[in-house]
Amino acid sequence: KAGVTQTPRYLIKTRGQQVTLSCSPISGHRSVSWYQQTPGQGLQFLFEYFSETQRNKGNFPGRFSGRQFSNSRSEMNVSTLELGDSALYLCASRQGQGDEQYFGPGTRLTVT
Amino acid sequence: GENVEQHPSTLSVQEGDSAVIKCTYSDSASNYFPWYKQELGKGPQLIIDIRSNVGEKKDQRIAVTLNKTAKHFSLHITETQPEDSAVYFCAARGRGYSTLTFGKGTMLLVSP
Repeated sequence: KAGVTQTPRYLIKTRGQQVTLSCSPISGHRSVSWYQQTPGQGLQFLFEYFSETQRNKGNFPGRFSGRQFSNSRSEMNVSTLELGDSALYLCASRQGQGDEQYFGPGTRLTVT
Repeated sequence: GENVEQHPSTLSVQEGDSAVIKCTYSDSASNYFPWYKQELGKGPQLIIDIRSNVGEKKDQRIAVTLNKTAKHFSLHITETQPEDSAVYFCAARGRGYSTLTFGKGTMLLVSP
């Protein structure tokens, strides 16, 4: 079974621009979660979608948004990029509520 | 919300030695405790997990113990090898649609 895939793997954007990141979960997994990883803050939860519904949301500004499609693929959007948004964005999927969560390789976003 | 503390932040051992990483959690409702290994340039990889109805779980050189009363759990790696060098994260999660809360990570360095 293929693992969680994320595209693109690397991205360079300019302040003020917006960006969309994509995640394809493991086949059969209904949940997709997004995390931001930085050296100073560690792994911080952004949001989670189960069967196209946002079930949980972390403490991030409204510039960060996401959605999940009927095939469980998910996208995350960040508008009006700031330098502090530079980070590794990780996607993780799980089959159901109590199940193990598996991570993708991440998208490295650099904002200049 | 849940809070997970992880210690130590860095750990250096000689090849063949054992390594122990400890985590404490705050929410007594948490019932699932995974451990992830993250190598440079990669996403976190699930290496072992334990649920609250079990006190110990072992998988070859890796073991995890859980003390629900004290609200702490530990990762034990025996006969360490240089390829065990990575950042290790502990996490905790409650029931239902709860999300994972991560510790800040432990950088393990195994010297040959």
